[in-house]
Amino acid sequence: AQSVSQHNHHVILSEAASLELGCNYSYGGTVNLFWYVQYPGQHLQLLLKYFSGDPLVKGIKGFEAEFIKSKFSFNLRKPSVQWSDTAEYFCAVLYSGAGSYQLTFGKGTKLSVIP
Amino acid sequence: SAVISQKPSRDICQRGTSLTIQCQVDSQVTMMFWYRQQPGQSLTLIATANQGSEATYESGFVIDKFPISRPNLTFSTLTVSNMSPEDSSIYLCSVLRQGAYGYTFGSGTRLTVV
Repeated sequence: AQSVSQHNHHVILSEAASLELGCNYSYGGTVNLFWYVQYPGQHLQLLLKYFSGDPLVKGIKGFEAEFIKSKFSFNLRKPSVQWSDTAEYFCAVLYSGAGSYQLTFGKGTKLSVIP
Repeated sequence: SAVISQKPSRDICQRGTSLTIQCQVDSQVTMMFWYRQQPGQSLTLIATANQGSEATYESGFVIDKFPISRPNLTFSTLTVSNMSPEDSSIYLCSVLRQGAYGYTFGSGTRLTVV
């Protein structure tokens, strides 16, 4: 079965620190990759996505992610975090084939940014 | 992206009762999904809601417990039947549009079973 692993359950950073959240997936075929963010008390929002092309994807709010196919990874980065980035971050992988789709989520990484 | 209206936003229900959650999309979408997010956990796919036919359930989920309807391309319901405290969770509707490889999520229904 497909699986998505997020390495860190909870990350605590000071403002202006750099962020990297790890994400690895198990499937070796064609995948589409996403990072979602869930701010406290709010619903999921799409942060960025990768379909094809440039493996370095830029998303909203200064986030970016790099797809490394050989490592089955799609790590999320931000050079300098802000207090407003405090949220839970979910990596998700879309597996598709024969007209069916399945979006598999990682367990999420909670990010706390200390002012 | 599609705009999703999900109702109710939250509810507190007695065990043994049922709750129906509605998901309305502002435009026709190819695929609609229902997810569950239990406290402290990630999202789990319950089923794919198929227009005009029975939903496709994931392992661990059955139609008797989570009946789903999808009468047209813009609307779906999920019913949580014979509820127990273990069903306390956030239930989310999600849609995928043809040719758009990104999912849009509803705001969720926070269900508490007492």
